[in-house]
Amino acid sequence: TQLLEQSPQFLSIQEGENLTVYCNSSSVFSSLQWYRQEPGEGPVLLVTVVTGGEVKKLKRLTFQFGDARKDSSLHITAAQTGDTGLYLCAGANYNQGGKLIFGQGTELSVKP
Amino acid sequence: DTGVSQDPRHKITKRGQNVTFRCDPISEHNRLYWYRQTLGQGPEFLTYFQNEAQLEKSRLLSDRFSAERPKGSFSTLEIQRTEQGDSAMYLCASSRGYADRELFFGEGSRLTVL
Repeated sequence: TQLLEQSPQFLSIQEGENLTVYCNSSSVFSSLQWYRQEPGEGPVLLVTVVTGGEVKKLKRLTFQFGDARKDSSLHITAAQTGDTGLYLCAGANYNQGGKLIFGQGTELSVKP
Repeated sequence: DTGVSQDPRHKITKRGQNVTFRCDPISEHNRLYWYRQTLGQGPEFLTYFQNEAQLEKSRLLSDRFSAERPKGSFSTLEIQRTEQGDSAMYLCASSRGYADRELFFGEGSRLTVL
C-alpha cells in the first residue's frame, strides 16, 4: 500500500513569513499533485509534477518533485492571509491503475 | 454551472439506516472517484470508475458500502446499516483520462450518523 506522509500537520505563521511543507513516501510515484482545500469546499488543484527533480513555480509558491519521485515539497514565500487552508499532496502510480492517493494534509493558518 | 455536483449536501440519519449519495461528474469526464474525508484530514480513497467499470474498491471499505455508475455518467454511493463511524464528508471527483490529470471535486456530501 502506497502512503504519503505530510509534515508538518499544522502550521501557524505570521503574514510575510516563508514556509515549507513536505510530502514523503517510501514508494515511487509516477506523478504527484498538490491541492488546496478551503472549509466546506472540495480540493482544488495547484500543480502537477511528473519528472524527477522537476521544479514548478506558481507566483509565490514553489513546488519540487524529488529526484527519485518519492517526495515533494511546497514552499510559500511571503505568506498572505489568503494562503490559509488545507494543503494536500496526492500521488498516482500508473502501474497501479493510476488512482490518486492523498496525504493527510497540512493545515496552514496565516495570521495578519 | 458544469462542475461536479453532489446531492444531498447534508444528511443526518440514525444508526442502522441506509443512505445514498449521488454524484454528477463533468459530462466529458470518464473517470469518477469517491473519497471520504474527516475534519482536518486528507481524503481517503474509497473507489473509482473508468466509464461504467468499477476499477478498484478500497480494502478498508466494508461490504456495507457499494457504488455504481450504471451508464458511465452519474454515480451513487450507498451505505447500508450506517454506523457512527461512517460520519464524514463524502467527496466525489471526476477527471478526463488518466492518472496525472486534474481531479475536479464536488463540494461533498456531509453525513452525520446519530
